[in-house]
This record gives sequence, C-alpha cells and structure tokens, in this order.
Amino acid sequence: GAVVSQHPSWVICKSGTSVKIECRSLDFQATTMFWYRQFPKQSLMLMATSNEGSKATYEQGVEKDKFLINHASLTLSTLTVTSAHPEDSSFYICSAKERTSTDTQYFGPGTRLTVL
Amino acid sequence: RKEVEQDPGPFNVPEGATVAFNCTYSNSASQSFFWYRQDCRKEPKLLMSVYSSGNEDGRFTAQLNRASQYISLLIRDSKLSDSATYLCAVRGSARQLTFGSGTQLTVLP
Repeated sequence: GAVVSQHPSWVICKSGTSVKIECRSLDFQATTMFWYRQFPKQSLMLMATSNEGSKATYEQGVEKDKFLINHASLTLSTLTVTSAHPEDSSFYICSAKERTSTDTQYFGPGTRLTVL
Repeated sequence: RKEVEQDPGPFNVPEGATVAFNCTYSNSASQSFFWYRQDCRKEPKLLMSVYSSGNEDGRFTAQLNRASQYISLLIRDSKLSDSATYLCAVRGSARQLTFGSGTQLTVLP
C-alpha cells in the first residue's frame, strides 16, 4: 500500500523557536496533502489543505502566518510552526491523497511536538 | 453542534464480547463514511469504509443510516488486540475528512 512518512517523529524545542515538519509520499504522487493536529484525548482537527504548487487553504481559527505550509512537489509538503509556544504542543499528522484517487487518504505516522 | 459526534466511552468489555459504537453526523450532504482505528500515540489507520447497504469484514460490521444520519460499527468476538480508539470520519462535498472525537475500547482478558 501507499506509504507516507513524516520527519521528525518527535521534537522538543524551546518556546520561541520554529519547527519544520516534513511529510513525504514515498511511492505515489500526492496532489493534495492535509495537515491535522490532535491534542490528547481529542480528535484530529484539520488545520489546512495543501495542493501542490498553490497556496494552502487554512481552516477557520488556524493562523496561516504561524503555521506555514509549503507543498513544492508532488511528494513533499512541509509545515513550519513559527515561534512555537507551549500551547502548540500537540501531535501533528499529515495525510496524502493519491493523484489518481478521489477518496483514499494515507496518513503519516505523526510528529509529536513538545514546546518547553 | 459538532459535525461528527461519538460517545467517547470508555468501553471496557471482556474478551469475546460484542460491542457496538455509534456516530452521528450533522451534514446531510456528507458523501463518504469511514471507521478508523487509532492506537495510542499512533496515526489513525483505516478500518473500513461504510456503505449504504452495510458491509462486513470478518468480525467487523459497519452500517450507515442516512435518514437518521448515523453510522455504526459492530465488533463481534472481541479480542485483546481490538483495544484502541475508534474514530468515525465523514467526507463532505469539499472532499475533506471530518473526524469524530473517538471512542475508546478496552478489551479485558
């Protein structure tokens, strides 16, 4: 099956620093990638939808200047949490949709961010 | 009102029991429905899609009731390895998945 990787799998950083998370589709081309955030004991909340070569579409309440998304190629999307604060600590998960598929999304293993 | 609602549980059941989860959705225009399984500190994994006619995969049966806007998941003969959080997910016309908050299941020996 299709594989999506994320890097890093976990990161601990100081408050005020920026953190970049990579999401890669390893064996397929992903025209669309989605970024989710999940706080403990809560559901996955969609942050933004990223289409290759165009600007990301952010969900209501998600600051686009704080969560920078770049989808420069069909196999890579990045999420940068700028000036991270403790309240940004969360589990960030990406998913990718195959170019030829209308419905199937494949999830990455997630990145656990802890901001001290 | 949340778009997708689930009973958070937890459900604690003995091995071999049958357990059922329900999930309701608010958008009547929703097009596709899914059940995901999420283990602790891991990403969600697709368990099964849910079709109008109902569908079964081994011990798992999923059903959709469009009139009442709910989907269900039935697990028969539960195993210890079934312990996880089960998330329902709904896709609307915008092609985005909206997840429920998940139902935690613990199968006890």
